Amino acid sequence: AQSVSQHNHHVILSEAASLELGCNYSYGGTVNLFWYVQYPGQHLQLLLKYFSGDPLVKGIKGFEAEFIKSKFSFNLRKPSVQWSDTAEYFCAVSGGSYIPTFGRGTSLIVHP
Amino acid sequence: DTGVSQNPRHKITKRGQNVTFRCDPISEHNRLYWYRQTLGQGPEFLTYFQNEAQLEKSRLLSDRFSAERPKGSFSTLEIQRTEQGDSAMYLCASSPGVAVFNEQFFGPGTRLTVL
Repeated sequence: AQSVSQHNHHVILSEAASLELGCNYSYGGTVNLFWYVQYPGQHLQLLLKYFSGDPLVKGIKGFEAEFIKSKFSFNLRKPSVQWSDTAEYFCAVSGGSYIPTFGRGTSLIVHP
Repeated sequence: DTGVSQNPRHKITKRGQNVTFRCDPISEHNRLYWYRQTLGQGPEFLTYFQNEAQLEKSRLLSDRFSAERPKGSFSTLEIQRTEQGDSAMYLCASSPGVAVFNEQFFGPGTRLTVL
């Protein structure tokens, strides 16, 4: 069975600070990894995904994530956050099936 | 707007009543998913369809829950004899193609409150 753990449930930053959100997964085989974002009042939408190749994945709005297989991790990063990055962030893993498992999410608040 | 749509957006019902939600996926997306999300949690998988075939159901989907996707287009999720524990946001998502890594496109959700 696959599972996802997001370490930080609530993160508060000031604008221009750097961001790193942790995500660890549990699955023994090949994985597909996703970060989704939900801005206030909006739908969940894809931020970035990894399925093969370069373990450093770049997504929308300056976000990136690095897949480290030995650590079963897929941490999300952004060098300088903006107030508009305030949102809920969800890590998800799909271990070879069509059914992703989502983490419980991290609420990010960015103060202007 | 050609995204995933869900109706109604909000539903308040009394315990014991039946409710039905509808999801219209993005046109030509052959996979459709239902999730449940409660406060402070990520989406939890309920069931998914490949075209009109319901291929998998979660153990969360008790016998009071039923989902259909006639003709492989829109889908409905029905909850019979609702309980207060059914109060949650019910999300629908669709996905194109057959690749495992295809992203899911989510709808706005239906918020169910059972009194």
